[in-house]
Amino acid sequence: RKEVEQDPGPFNVPEGATVAFNCTYSNSASQSFFWYRQDCRKEPKLLMSVYSSGNEDGRFTAQLNRASQYISLLIRDSKLSDSATYLCVVNYNNDMRFGAGTRLTVKP
Amino acid sequence: NAGVTQTPKFQVLKTGQSMTLQCAQDMNHEYMSWYRQDPGMGLRLIHYSVGAGITDQGEVPNGYNVSRSTTEDFPLRLLSAAPSQTSVYFCASSYSGTGVYGYTFGSGTRLTVV
Repeated sequence: RKEVEQDPGPFNVPEGATVAFNCTYSNSASQSFFWYRQDCRKEPKLLMSVYSSGNEDGRFTAQLNRASQYISLLIRDSKLSDSATYLCVVNYNNDMRFGAGTRLTVKP
Repeated sequence: NAGVTQTPKFQVLKTGQSMTLQCAQDMNHEYMSWYRQDPGMGLRLIHYSVGAGITDQGEVPNGYNVSRSTTEDFPLRLLSAAPSQTSVYFCASSYSGTGVYGYTFGSGTRLTVV
């Protein structure tokens, strides 16, 4: 079983749509959680950290459920520029574990 | 521009050859790490360092060596290249290994072993 699991997609949505990605992790002692974005053939870049209380950054909302070991990312009002692969990342003692990513394509 | 610089960007090796992937950062980050990214598997941690003179193994360390003689540099050595090491390699750095400050990644090295 992978330590961090994501639906690989692809998710194909029209501009303006709301889309949600989910992620589960296996290490219950994991300490910190993140979403990264990776464009095709580029390096990953931090999108946002994920806090237990949930947090929002503009059109992006992240949620963490420690009891269920589940992380989510909600994107509202999708833009063409949101097309990318979204990586769920979980940290335990300086060891960052990455999910394989969920690919999103936003179409006009 | 400040950031993480990786060289080379592309490399083709023959099985059994050795090489060093270079990584340098100018942000005074204490934490540096190497990942490999393979299709469908996500990034996997090879080795990491929490400061000069300190290194540790990650999830997939076999076949790779690292050293950290300065804060700025963290080279990755392939001892005897194998086709299974064909991958995209990313170096990352951060103020802390916890990730709370975000990891800055280099642009990657695409390695093919034939």
